[in-house]
Amino acid sequence: EAQVTQNPRYLITVTGKKLTVTCSQNMNHEYMSWYRQDPGLGLRQIYYSMNVEVTDKGDVPEGYKVSRKEKRNFPLILESPSPNQTSLYFCASSLGLEGNEQFFGPGTRLTVL
Amino acid sequence: AQKVTQAQTEISVVEKEDVTLDCVYETRDTTYYLFWYKQPPSGELVFLIRRNSFDEQNEISGRYSWNFQKSTSSFNFTITASQVVDSAVYFCALSEAGGTSYGKLTFGQGTILTVHP
Repeated sequence: EAQVTQNPRYLITVTGKKLTVTCSQNMNHEYMSWYRQDPGLGLRQIYYSMNVEVTDKGDVPEGYKVSRKEKRNFPLILESPSPNQTSLYFCASSLGLEGNEQFFGPGTRLTVL
Repeated sequence: AQKVTQAQTEISVVEKEDVTLDCVYETRDTTYYLFWYKQPPSGELVFLIRRNSFDEQNEISGRYSWNFQKSTSSFNFTITASQVVDSAVYFCALSEAGGTSYGKLTFGQGTILTVHP
């Protein structure tokens, strides 16, 4: 089944404790990205990657890191999480052609205390 | 810069009523794509439709219909004879064809639709 998976789905952590949210897709998509969803703000792009070893900042990259060492994986790293990073996070992938539908993962709900 | 506005934060209707969700967008590109996504209470994002900027033809899919008007920069979504299962958050989104915005979806704030039995 074609899908984007994220782990963990739920995470409660404390300020400053490094964490990684994994994202994996099995559709051989070139384009992957991370979004965060906050009430009243919709979804905002954090980082994106157009291919292996090619990543760039989205609209809200502060406090996040990403890597793209393999085509299928695009982990999101929070080196020192803070309470304002409490949010619902979505990973997405697409073929990378303009206007392509993006396939979203199930979301990861992160709470930083 | 691209922007999407969904002015209706919340809409409440009774089952079988028709409801229209508004979406207004801003972009400088002549080539762009518009999307609607549904987020049911379970939280996942469900793709509903994509339109490109050169195709203003309205689309109907069952009880769903979409009205794209470039003249008013709007891409409105109508649910006919709403059902309780339509209760969800609906997002309108815009993707520009190239430049630094390549591939990025710019989302509106979302409209929470509640359909009461």
